[in-house]
Amino acid sequence: SQQGEEDPQALSIQEGENATMNCSYKTSINNLQWYRQNSGRGLVHLILIRSNEREKHSGRLRVTLDTSKKSSSLLITASRAADTASYFCATSGGSQGNLIFGKGTKLSVKP
Amino acid sequence: NAGVTQTPKFQVLKTGQSMTLQCAQDMNHEYMSWYRQDPGMGLRLIHYSVGAGITDQGEVPNGYNVSRSTTEDFPLRLLSAAPSQTSVYFCASSYSIQGGNSPLHFGNGTRLTVT
Repeated sequence: SQQGEEDPQALSIQEGENATMNCSYKTSINNLQWYRQNSGRGLVHLILIRSNEREKHSGRLRVTLDTSKKSSSLLITASRAADTASYFCATSGGSQGNLIFGKGTKLSVKP
Repeated sequence: NAGVTQTPKFQVLKTGQSMTLQCAQDMNHEYMSWYRQDPGMGLRLIHYSVGAGITDQGEVPNGYNVSRSTTEDFPLRLLSAAPSQTSVYFCASSYSIQGGNSPLHFGNGTRLTVT
């Protein structure tokens, strides 16, 4: 069963613009992670944010978490063509702690 | 470090055939898992393991078997392939035995087609 759901499903922007992707989930979580997947490749971990954190940064990436709204957002600033990929949020909660992935946002950055 | 290595990269099977997808990691991770990725469905957990000798079912385990005889290897067996098992399969590992509490390291996937 999908826990996280990304929005929008697809996003097309110009190089230099910012890209914002959102993730909503249904049940309480221990942490939330964001991953990137380039075409034909495996997923690559970007950021992990714990349930007691509100914001995290890594380079051009900024992730926020609002546990009261059960939502997270991923902001990529000054996008580059190389950022073209699918982005997934994944949540972890419960005793087993396995990651449950959303369906992803497909980002296209045009040069 | 090679990270997570999956073989083969591509495979075509006929309905009813069996095969094993191989996964190996060289990071001494206790947690390993198998996901399948289908268009429009995201990634779904098939089986996972929190250490050698310990395996458990995920969300979609039917038609698949796993074993974990060593820390490094976590093969996925398709017992009798069906067209519904056409998918891209990813193996992932993590240093935390609760797979969601630390980053997952993914292999590059096996693309399986069942005709």
